[in-house]
Amino acid sequence: DSGVTQTPKHLITATGQRVTLRCSPRSGDLSVYWYQQSLDQGLQFLIQYYNGEERAKGNILERFSAQQFPDLHSELNLSSLELGDSALYFCASSHGQGIQLGGKAFFGQGTRLTVV
Amino acid sequence: GESVGLHLPTLSVQEGDNSIINCAYSNSASDYFIWYKQESGKGPQFIIDIRSNMDKRQGQRVTVLLNKTVKHLSLQIAATQPGDSAVYFCAENSGGSNYKLTFGKGTLLTVNP
Repeated sequence: DSGVTQTPKHLITATGQRVTLRCSPRSGDLSVYWYQQSLDQGLQFLIQYYNGEERAKGNILERFSAQQFPDLHSELNLSSLELGDSALYFCASSHGQGIQLGGKAFFGQGTRLTVV
Repeated sequence: GESVGLHLPTLSVQEGDNSIINCAYSNSASDYFIWYKQESGKGPQFIIDIRSNMDKRQGQRVTVLLNKTVKHLSLQIAATQPGDSAVYFCAENSGGSNYKLTFGKGTLLTVNP
């Protein structure tokens, strides 16, 4: 168990809908990272937050947004969902601001999103 | 642009054999590398990391080798066990304020009993 908790584990929704994925980082970790894993694209970095502030953006669509709350949990919001958004969404956390400064990133079990 | 790893290959080994999983990276600015293991239905699990000032690092039953000259990374697993069956990803980071890990596409390791 990595200590990173993601909910829900599975989510099935229709095209055009909006969903929220939730992540609780490991105790003491200040950074949260979101990744998308699909069969054709592999693991793609979406966005990172550190202590409530956005720190880095990757291949995140404008329909997607995220935030990190004062208690350090994070939510990833996906709207106007399309079939191609079906994927595994992972959250990872680390203690510091960056992968190297903050040490290893530990991943949650992921949320499997299926858009039908 | 950045790219790490190969198209998803498959490696099949017998239990007890040593496994070698390879990874190529293209960003010469990358100076930190991590190997992750992902079992079916689970998130990536940290195995071992290495910084670019090293060319070898050993863990428990695993060794990572880094060849910066040819931008190649390998993961060696000694005495491979059925529980080692998983997809293995290499990931790179170019340090400093770069917070992004770039993942390769992974290698599927199957251990036959």
